[in-house]
Amino acid sequence: DTGVSQDPRHKITKRGQNVTFRCDPISEHNRLYWYRQTLGQGPEFLTYFQNEAQLEKSRLLSDRFSAERPKGSFSTLEIQRTEQGDSAMYLCASSLAGGPYEQYFGPGTRLTVT
Amino acid sequence: GENVEQHPSTLSVQEGDSAVIKCTYSDSASNYFPWYKQELGKRPQLIIDIRSNVGEKKDQRIAVTLNKTAKHFSLHITETQPEDSAVYFCAATYGGSQGNLIFGKGTKLSVKP
Repeated sequence: DTGVSQDPRHKITKRGQNVTFRCDPISEHNRLYWYRQTLGQGPEFLTYFQNEAQLEKSRLLSDRFSAERPKGSFSTLEIQRTEQGDSAMYLCASSLAGGPYEQYFGPGTRLTVT
Repeated sequence: GENVEQHPSTLSVQEGDSAVIKCTYSDSASNYFPWYKQELGKRPQLIIDIRSNVGEKKDQRIAVTLNKTAKHFSLHITETQPEDSAVYFCAATYGGSQGNLIFGKGTKLSVKP
């Protein structure tokens, strides 16, 4: 499968724990985006990378969230000290740079904070 | 802040009828407008998109129109089929970015056989 992949697909954690998600983009895509989607809503932008550089973060994004893309390929999203309000689907998307170009989404990681 | 409004939130049609979903956006710098289809429990799938230098684009039963003056764009699905049933999201670039998208709240389309 040459599409965007995410791991894990599901994560259940207790409030206060840290969690980390991974995204592998389409291989030739140098842009990578993270979104969050809650039930009944459209995806909400969190942050994006062009190669290894993090170019933009949502102003609404808590300091507990951090993302990396150290080698310009896969990316990780970490949430520290999780809260129940962090429960959501975390989606990753990738695209070519220089566009705007089509963004292709991964299957998402569903996070449940108990 | 920037936003995209989408209407209606739910739409029910008979198989074979047409469906129209409308979106308005606030950022005059928006220049790219994709539409995604999301089935229950699955990832959003890009179905069609349009750029600001084009007024209309068609792909088989699906078409999108853009009115930059009025800042609105619409999705048209003709000859609907039960497999078209899903949630549809419109989106627009914002803030002069070259790709970051702001999404509408979605339209749940039900096609009755």
